[in-house]
Amino acid sequence: KNEVEQSPQNLTAQEGEFITINCSYSVGISALHWLQQHPGGGIVSLFMLSSGKKKHGRLIATINIQEKHSSLHITASHPRDSAVYICAVTSGNTPLVFGKGTRLSVIA
Amino acid sequence: NAGVTQTPKFQVLKTGQSMTLQCAQDMNHEYMSWYRQDPGMGLRLIHYSVGAGITDQGEVPNGYNVSRSTTEDFPLRLLSAAPSQTSVYFCASSYSNPDYGYTFGSGTRLTVV
Repeated sequence: KNEVEQSPQNLTAQEGEFITINCSYSVGISALHWLQQHPGGGIVSLFMLSSGKKKHGRLIATINIQEKHSSLHITASHPRDSAVYICAVTSGNTPLVFGKGTRLSVIA
Repeated sequence: NAGVTQTPKFQVLKTGQSMTLQCAQDMNHEYMSWYRQDPGMGLRLIHYSVGAGITDQGEVPNGYNVSRSTTEDFPLRLLSAAPSQTSVYFCASSYSNPDYGYTFGSGTRLTVV
């Protein structure tokens, strides 16, 4: 079974700061997902990556397949970015394996 | 609106009671799954289905049953509720290849007393 580790577990940032959340996994994958969960809320899919880099607004996700590592970056962070960010991986037809999440708080 | 609909949003059960958590999607997704989310544990897979009539167990299946008689619906049954099943439950769906993006339901917060 793939082991997915996220760091940091908790992160507090000032508004406007550049934020990086890391995800590493133990076994080769076919796709990696970044998800967002606001307090008391549902789960929203942000990105799905199999290689390279994707950008959506202020969010950037990168993946290095050889190093088994992905990063999620948030530029010009805002209090509305406060949420739990979850990394999940899959290999072919196997179900998603999730990391435990990174709790981000952005202070105005 | 297209998406994954979970009902109920909140439920309190007494130990030993049974109930069914409903999950329905209208995107013609073949792949559906149930997860539970507990503090410090992350999301853990309970059961999943790759199509109508096909189900399989995940990481934590004990105490739960599923069936998939249609593409749209994937109910989760708690046979005899226990306090250890107090959790937030999420249903998710995807196209047949899990490498495609997932759509999650809004969750069911279940308390067993």
